[in-house]
Amino acid sequence: SQKIEQNSEALNIQEGKTATLTCNYTNYSPAYLQWYRQDPGRGPVFLLLIRENEKEKRKERLKVTFDTTLKQSLFHITASQPADSATYLCALRGGADGLTFGKGTHLIIQP
Amino acid sequence: DTAVSQTPKYLVTQMGNDKSIKCEQNLGHDTMYWYKQDSKKFLKIMFSYNNKELIINETVPNRFSPKSPDKAHLNLHINSLELGDSAVYFCASSQDPTARAGEQYFGPGTRLTVT
Repeated sequence: SQKIEQNSEALNIQEGKTATLTCNYTNYSPAYLQWYRQDPGRGPVFLLLIRENEKEKRKERLKVTFDTTLKQSLFHITASQPADSATYLCALRGGADGLTFGKGTHLIIQP
Repeated sequence: DTAVSQTPKYLVTQMGNDKSIKCEQNLGHDTMYWYKQDSKKFLKIMFSYNNKELIINETVPNRFSPKSPDKAHLNLHINSLELGDSAVYFCASSQDPTARAGEQYFGPGTRLTVT
């Protein structure tokens, strides 16, 4: 069956360092992969989309890589700030033409 | 202006009742969705609706039914509520009709508690 795995344990990073989050998937051949941010009590917010023919995508302090051979995406936040603390979700196209999400990684940026 | 809005934000009800959650998007998107986020924070697709075509996730009980009065609205009706229906329900919309690409915009969520 299709699976998306993210390290759901909290990831503690010191302010100013680079945070790297991992998303692994199995039994998918995705045309694209998306990353979302979710804050407590709120809906997910879209951050980045990377397509299968793109190795890397950047947006301000965010960078996403996509390795379809390893079946893995890495999400980087450079110069991390306490305001970056949130849960980050990766998503692939899933059933019912919606998205299938990983459980998310809870990122904590410590001042 | 809020892009995707849901009402109510909180809903507490008893087992066996029937309830509805409303969703509206003012983005002009063609496709709307309902997701369920359970206590373990897993976010799962329930339905997608595009141009009067409904696609249902096979795991969703038929007690759940989406209703779309127009392109900007997709309401969720739940009959005979059960304890296991307690969760946060998110509405979302996207421009791309088949979700092959393109981001989804989520509402703030409705926390449903069934007692």
